[in-house]
Amino acid sequence: SQQGEEDPQALSIQEGENATMNCSYKTSINNLQWYRQNSGRGLVHLILIRSNEREKHSGRLRVTLDTSKKSSSLLITASRAADTASYFCARSPLYGNKLVFGAGTILRVKS
Amino acid sequence: GAGVSQSPRYKVAKRGQDVALRCDPISGHVSLFWYQQALGQGPEFLTYFQNEAQLDKSGLPSDRFFAERPEGSVSTLKIQRTQQEDSAVYLCASSSPRLAGGPPSTDTQYFGPGTRLTVL
Repeated sequence: SQQGEEDPQALSIQEGENATMNCSYKTSINNLQWYRQNSGRGLVHLILIRSNEREKHSGRLRVTLDTSKKSSSLLITASRAADTASYFCARSPLYGNKLVFGAGTILRVKS
Repeated sequence: GAGVSQSPRYKVAKRGQDVALRCDPISGHVSLFWYQQALGQGPEFLTYFQNEAQLDKSGLPSDRFFAERPEGSVSTLKIQRTQQEDSAVYLCASSSPRLAGGPPSTDTQYFGPGTRLTVL
């Protein structure tokens, strides 16, 4: 079973709009990572944010982390049709090395 | 260098057959992970190796699942007597773990394209 949730489950926006996806978790973490998965393809790492960080940027991506609320958000600005994919947050627990994934958010960007 | 590679990319097996899935991690990566991804779900952890040592196999769903990494590089996930519920994409990932006294850990896991297993 997977711990935590992502919302929304699906998101459809127009090209140029911003997309925000949220991730909540239940147990303390070492870091939290966001991945993208295009249809039928492997997972591509987007960004990693550590438990002592609150915000991180990478290009059009902005990730925030609130450890007191056990939640994170991924913002994609000025979305493009090529951003259409499933997005997963993955928690790295305090102890152990595995990643714990949510069920993902399916993003569709319409051109 | 090249990323993580997996073979075969697609595998169709009849129920009861044994299958072997191969993973070639990024050269020099010490850690190797196997995940199972069911349709419409996120990946779920199966097992973890550090070099040739299997340090965590808590995610393996049954004793029909077996993984090995004998020389600390290539890994094989074997599923014996496959069942229909084994149908999924099997993902392999590798990473460089934090080293004591060393630079910050590159905890990022780099994933291969996966093997899609269909059991008929």
